[in-house]
Amino acid sequence: AQKITQTQPGMFVQEKEAVTLDCTYDTSDPSYGLFWYKQPSSGEMIFLIYQGSYDQQNATEGRYSLNFQKARKSANLVISASQLGDSAMYFCAMREGRGSNYKLTFGKGTLLTVNP
Amino acid sequence: GAVVSQHPSRVICKSGTSVKIECRSLDFQATTMFWYRQFPKKSLMLMATSNEGSKATYEQGVEKDKFLINHASLTLSTLTVTSAHPEDSSFYICSAKNEKGNQPQHFGDGTRLSIL
Repeated sequence: AQKITQTQPGMFVQEKEAVTLDCTYDTSDPSYGLFWYKQPSSGEMIFLIYQGSYDQQNATEGRYSLNFQKARKSANLVISASQLGDSAMYFCAMREGRGSNYKLTFGKGTLLTVNP
Repeated sequence: GAVVSQHPSRVICKSGTSVKIECRSLDFQATTMFWYRQFPKKSLMLMATSNEGSKATYEQGVEKDKFLINHASLTLSTLTVTSAHPEDSSFYICSAKNEKGNQPQHFGDGTRLSIL
């Protein structure tokens, strides 16, 4: 079974509107972390936002917020006021357990296109 | 600015050539770095975990004799694709995590490897 599921291969949004990118996860470890990365066409992976399993509040970073619903095992990324530069692949990833040697498991990604 | 530097960004070479890719953490020490491979329009696949001063830990199905990893210092890991063939053509990307605090993995800009 997949540990990270991103069900939207592609999404379109109008400039200045908000968009939600879905991510569900599967783990039996009580300690885990969820990450979102952005990958433009140039290839680099840009860290956007992090949510720890014990965090009480949903993470926010500027225009990015994470809608963390622990019981439903979902960690959707919300981008507000979309910009043309937001067009990119977006990957959800999970880290299980603690310690410095953790590995990340990535979802298949969602290609976001922002239309002018 | 970038916290992880990866070099070279692009390599085109003949079949049978060995190619070395460097990954450096610029302003922090990383006892652990990670090497990923990404096929076009696909997710990142973890190849191996690079451990400073010890042998790398390879994921299932990754040939350790084909993909040699050396992590000789706390800021440098190298991936050598030995006797590369066209099927080794791919996007290779490294990441490193600052051991201090609750930091995410930071990625290099990746290397596009094309074997003719």
